[in-house]
Amino acid sequence: DGGITQSPKYLFRKEGQNVTLSCEQNLNHDAMYWYRQDPGQGLRLIYYSQIVNDFQKGDIAEGYSVSREKKESFPLTVTSAQKNPTAFYLCASSHRWELFFGEGSRLTVL
Amino acid sequence: GESVGLHLPTLSVQEGDNSIINCAYSNSASDYFIWYKQESGKGPQFIIDIRSNMDKRQGQRVTVLLNKTVKHLSLQIAATQPGDSAVYFCAENMTKGFKTIFGAGTRLFVKA
Repeated sequence: DGGITQSPKYLFRKEGQNVTLSCEQNLNHDAMYWYRQDPGQGLRLIYYSQIVNDFQKGDIAEGYSVSREKKESFPLTVTSAQKNPTAFYLCASSHRWELFFGEGSRLTVL
Repeated sequence: GESVGLHLPTLSVQEGDNSIINCAYSNSASDYFIWYKQESGKGPQFIIDIRSNMDKRQGQRVTVLLNKTVKHLSLQIAATQPGDSAVYFCAENMTKGFKTIFGAGTRLFVKA
């Protein structure tokens, strides 16, 4: 089945630690995205990549980093510089204007 | 700044009734408006979209209406079912920028 695979589904982190969230797609889409979702709120764009080896900051990029070395993969690192990292993180790819989302990764900072 | 928002945070309807979820947007330059459905603990799923040069589009049990005069978007769900219970997001896309902006969402409760 084609789709977006995110891992891990749940992740706990101590303050001061970096964590990396995995996102893989087999839809052959060029563009990939990372969104953050807080309770009762909409989705806010962290980073996006239109093509391999290229990515742009979204609206809330501070404290996050990404790489796009392969078309299929777009990992997100939540660094210790992110002041409030506890959230639900969603990865997506797009075909034209339609976004295809993964099941999300829930990060909790202890 | 640019924003897409929703009038109501929650909506409760009786099973079998029609649901109407509303959305206000502010960016007249958007090319497409899209509705997504998000079930608890999952990623959003595409429901239906409408291009900015249209005012109505119908899908299976769903209809999207676009009123550019007042910058208003709505999603109508016919014969609402328990499986329709979810959070619904409106979103707007400016294809040149590869960006999709989401509203805060409306939680739909379907009463049996």
